Amino acid sequence: DAKTTQPPSMDCAEGRAANLPCNHSTISGNEYVYWYRQIHSQGPQYIIHGLKNNETNEMASLIITEDRKSSTLILPHATLRDTAVYYCIVSRRDKLIFGAGTRLAVHP
Amino acid sequence: GAVVSQHPSWVICKSGTSVKIECRSLDFQATTMFWYRQFPKQSLMLMATSNEGSKATYEQGVEKDKFLINHASLTLSTLTVTSAHPEDSSFYICSGLETSRDEQFFGPGTRLTVL
Repeated sequence: DAKTTQPPSMDCAEGRAANLPCNHSTISGNEYVYWYRQIHSQGPQYIIHGLKNNETNEMASLIITEDRKSSTLILPHATLRDTAVYYCIVSRRDKLIFGAGTRLAVHP
Repeated sequence: GAVVSQHPSWVICKSGTSVKIECRSLDFQATTMFWYRQFPKQSLMLMATSNEGSKATYEQGVEKDKFLINHASLTLSTLTVTSAHPEDSSFYICSGLETSRDEQFFGPGTRLTVL
């Protein structure tokens, strides 16, 4: 599976959009981009995934560059409950290999 | 989303004993389940892939005789930590693959402490 690179930490003000970047320059054509998050001492929570088109659901939007070498997860209106570690993973729709993720802190 | 449960949520055991952790998909059938381990302040590490009715596939460096996995039905996978030692103390998390949506749903985790 391709590896991903994410910033170790980010801050965001409550109510503002949180934009979390992810680089996956070695992604192959049949690999998807998945985003999960983990709140302290809980199991990871699925957020969104995509192949090459931008995706949106009730939680977030996923923007994938045309060359698919990077993506951005957007939380449109961050709340304090969005404080978590966010993982960007590329996978062939089977096993997920977690990297270090980005620790997002949402502050008042 | 689909729900995955784990039991127990936490367990404390003596060194040398065996501990069984159950992972259940409550509202979907999971042909494939995964087991992860997470040490404090670290990311999740995939231990093995569990397929219903067949032997589990273990990641490199994970001892299959120490971490026994059984996936006897489409909704239940079990992980047994045999002859547990303090270094096996960790947060064990399972997930089930919901194939119709291509999503993995994770359980809440089981915290194992070996004294």
